[in-house]
Amino acid sequence: DQQVKQNSPSLSVQEGRISILNCDYTNSMFDYFLWYKKYPAEGPTFLISISSIKDKNEDGRFTVFLNKSAKHLSLHIVPSQPGDSAVYFCAASAPGNTPLVFGKGTRLSVIA
Amino acid sequence: GAGVSQSPRYKVTKRGQDVALRCDPISGHVSLYWYRQALGQGPEFLTYFNYEAQQDKSGLPNDRFSAERPEGSISTLTIQRTEQRDSAMYRCASSLSMVEQFFGPGTRLTVL
Repeated sequence: DQQVKQNSPSLSVQEGRISILNCDYTNSMFDYFLWYKKYPAEGPTFLISISSIKDKNEDGRFTVFLNKSAKHLSLHIVPSQPGDSAVYFCAASAPGNTPLVFGKGTRLSVIA
Repeated sequence: GAGVSQSPRYKVTKRGQDVALRCDPISGHVSLYWYRQALGQGPEFLTYFNYEAQQDKSGLPNDRFSAERPEGSISTLTIQRTEQRDSAMYRCASSLSMVEQFFGPGTRLTVL
């Protein structure tokens, strides 16, 4: 039973446009959410996070939005660049020392 | 280097053999995590340590899997009597806190 779901396995976007990656979760105890980015042959690297007390967190071209009532978060990348092409994983954690739960990932391709 | 390192990067073994996978975390990181990642999936939690203490091993699939971190730094994940279904990418991560984990490049294990 997937507690963190990324329903789009892949996404293709033109350079300069907005990329929107979506993530849904089922566990209402999750209170911290993260996005990781993974290039081929490398480990995932932390990108951006958001606590459940916020509904938006912005870092440069990357913004994460959290809708707690819908148990949904999204990552916006604007403007998208070819170097953003990677697999993006959504992850969530509950309070206390609980492990991160990852989604299956979405492969983003930014086309020049 | 400054990042998490894992060795070997690739391991091919015959069914029934034991394997030991090594993780060298970022210096000073208290927490160390082991994940398993199948193709097309996100990392799946196996176990984690704070210093040398194993805090949670609920993700270990069966008693053939074990992990240790005897001096609170380097960790070894051992799989005894390997089976073909153990073939996967095994990832290690370390962190100063439970979130924002830094991942290593992984060890790709193939059991023939």
